[in-house]
Amino acid sequence: EAQVTQNPRYLITVTGKKLTVTCSQNMNHEYMSWYRQDPGLGLRQIYYSMNVEVTDKGDVPEGYKVSRKEKRNFPLILESPSPNQTSLYFCASAYLFSYEQYFGPGTRLTVT
Amino acid sequence: AQKVTQAQTEISVVEKEDVTLDCVYETRDTTYYLFWYKQPPSGELVFLIRRNSFDEQNEISGRYSWNFQKSTSSFNFTITASQVVDSAVYFCALSEAYGGKLIFGQGTELSVKP
Repeated sequence: EAQVTQNPRYLITVTGKKLTVTCSQNMNHEYMSWYRQDPGLGLRQIYYSMNVEVTDKGDVPEGYKVSRKEKRNFPLILESPSPNQTSLYFCASAYLFSYEQYFGPGTRLTVT
Repeated sequence: AQKVTQAQTEISVVEKEDVTLDCVYETRDTTYYLFWYKQPPSGELVFLIRRNSFDEQNEISGRYSWNFQKSTSSFNFTITASQVVDSAVYFCALSEAYGGKLIFGQGTELSVKP
């Protein structure tokens, strides 16, 4: 089954404790992206990747890192999480220039 | 700058009523794509429709219909004979011509009461 998976689905952590949210897709998509969803703001892009070893900032990259060492994986790293990063995070993937993105199930992160 | 506005934050209707969700967009691109996504209470994002800027033909899929008007930069979504299962947050989104980033509106929370 074609899908985008994210882990963990739920995470409660404390300020400053490094964490990684994994994202994996099995559709051989070149394009992968991370969004965060906040009430009243919709979804905003954090980082994206056009292919392996090619990443770039989205609209709200501060406090996040990403890497793309393999085509299928695009982890989101919070080196020192803060409460303002409490949010619902979505990973998405797509064929380059296909315009249709497949979203993962979301990861609900709470930073206390 | 590109922007998507969903002015209706929350809408509440009674089952079987028709409801229209508004979406207004701004872009300088001549080629772009518009989307609607549904987010049910379970939280996942469900793709509903994609339209490109060259195709203003309205589309109907069952109880769902979409009205795309370039002249008013709007891409409205109508649910006919709403059902309780339609209760969700609905997002309108815009994509740049070369694909990639989706620019989302703020979302409209639709509540359909029995």
